[in-house]
Amino acid sequence: QVQLVESGGGVVQPGRSLRLSCAASGFTFSSYGMHWVRQAPGKGLEWVAVISYDGSNKYYADSVKGRFTISRDNSKNTLYLQMNSLRAEDTAVYYCAKDLEQQLGDAFDIWGQGTMVTVSS
Amino acid sequence: SYVLTQPPSVSVAPGQTARITCGGNNIGSKSVHWYQQKPGQAPVLVVYDDSDRPSGIPERFSGSNSGNTATLTISRVEAGDEADYYCQVWDSSSDHEVFGTGTKVTVL
Repeated sequence: QVQLVESGGGVVQPGRSLRLSCAASGFTFSSYGMHWVRQAPGKGLEWVAVISYDGSNKYYADSVKGRFTISRDNSKNTLYLQMNSLRAEDTAVYYCAKDLEQQLGDAFDIWGQGTMVTVSS
Repeated sequence: SYVLTQPPSVSVAPGQTARITCGGNNIGSKSVHWYQQKPGQAPVLVVYDDSDRPSGIPERFSGSNSGNTATLTISRVEAGDEADYYCQVWDSSSDHEVFGTGTKVTVL
């Protein structure tokens, strides 16, 4: 069964750091680009970052560039999002998502259930 | 940055057809994907590459894309189609994925 399971969310103070994980199963993780997408409470979807299948290419939304780092460990079938200098506006449910195929611009065919991050003092 | 504009809401009676638009500059030159999101759930892909459907998605969901507007059409609407719908494209000029503003579909 193809599955993505996020973990690592929680409540964190502004300016602090948090690392999210996304465990993949049921498909060849090392063959697909992976994304992080977030959704603030009551708001729409916001793309956060993408990493290519081999980790060689990474792109970030302007709102997180320089503060967040996407990475992956293909030996562990796991995607990560290191979030530093967190702000109140980073409060959201964070989803990991898989590319449908193997090129930029693909749709996201598999999504995790999401993990909530709350930035508050 | 590239902007995708959707109507905030669309209302439709059961059995009728719902059309959700997604406007963007020359969006017809891009591949558009559509997602359905029900409350408290993760998004689900319903149409990709303008008009293709993933396995398991009913034929009632279809898409088109031309000029400055892409459209998701839901035929013979059912109560279970009530959800938020988002369009999405890849903006190659900025290397960013872009989501539309989202449309809430209400089944009357």
